[in-house]
Amino acid sequence: EVQLVQSGAEVKKPGESLKISCKGSGYSFTSYWIGWVRQMPGKGLEWMGIIYPGDSDTRYSPSFQGQVTISADKSISTAYLQWSSLKASDTAMYYCARRVGTAMAVFDYWGQGTLVTVSS
Amino acid sequence: SYELTQPPSVSVSPGQTARITCSGDALPKQYAYWYQQKPGQAPVLVIYKDSERPSGIPERFSGSSSGTTVTLTISGVQAEDEADYYCQSADSSGTYQIFGGGTKLTVL
Repeated sequence: EVQLVQSGAEVKKPGESLKISCKGSGYSFTSYWIGWVRQMPGKGLEWMGIIYPGDSDTRYSPSFQGQVTISADKSISTAYLQWSSLKASDTAMYYCARRVGTAMAVFDYWGQGTLVTVSS
Repeated sequence: SYELTQPPSVSVSPGQTARITCSGDALPKQYAYWYQQKPGQAPVLVIYKDSERPSGIPERFSGSSSGTTVTLTISGVQAEDEADYYCQSADSSGTYQIFGGGTKLTVL
């Protein structure tokens, strides 16, 4: 069974750093892209970027380029999303999801989400 | 930049047919996908490649495409179908994915 299990909720202060995780199981982790999606409170889904754990090829949405870093450790089947200096506007639910393939730009399995709250 | 446009809300009575549209210039060249998101839950894929239904998704969910508009149709709507629905596609390279703004389906 394919599963993506995300790390738990975080409460941080502005300016702090943060790294959240997404562990895949039940499939070949290195053979599928993993994506990250932001959902701000009461708002829609926003595509942040994707990483191919097999070779760490990473693509960012222009809206998030330079704002976050996506990485992966294939030895432990885990993808990461990190911030070096959080802002209050980073408060959101963050989902990881498995992308079906390079040609099919669709997420077939999703993690349960990680709620990030940034508040002074 | 590329955008996908959905109506903010659609309302139907139980047993009726709900149609949710999504418009975008690249839709004739790129597949569309639909996700259902219920409150407090992660999105679930309900339609892929414009009109294909993943296993486990009820037959009342269907998708169609015509020019720059794709449509998610839910026939015989049930109370449990009340949710937010998002269309998603990709840019011309197929790399960068984009979501529509979402449509709240209310079952009256």
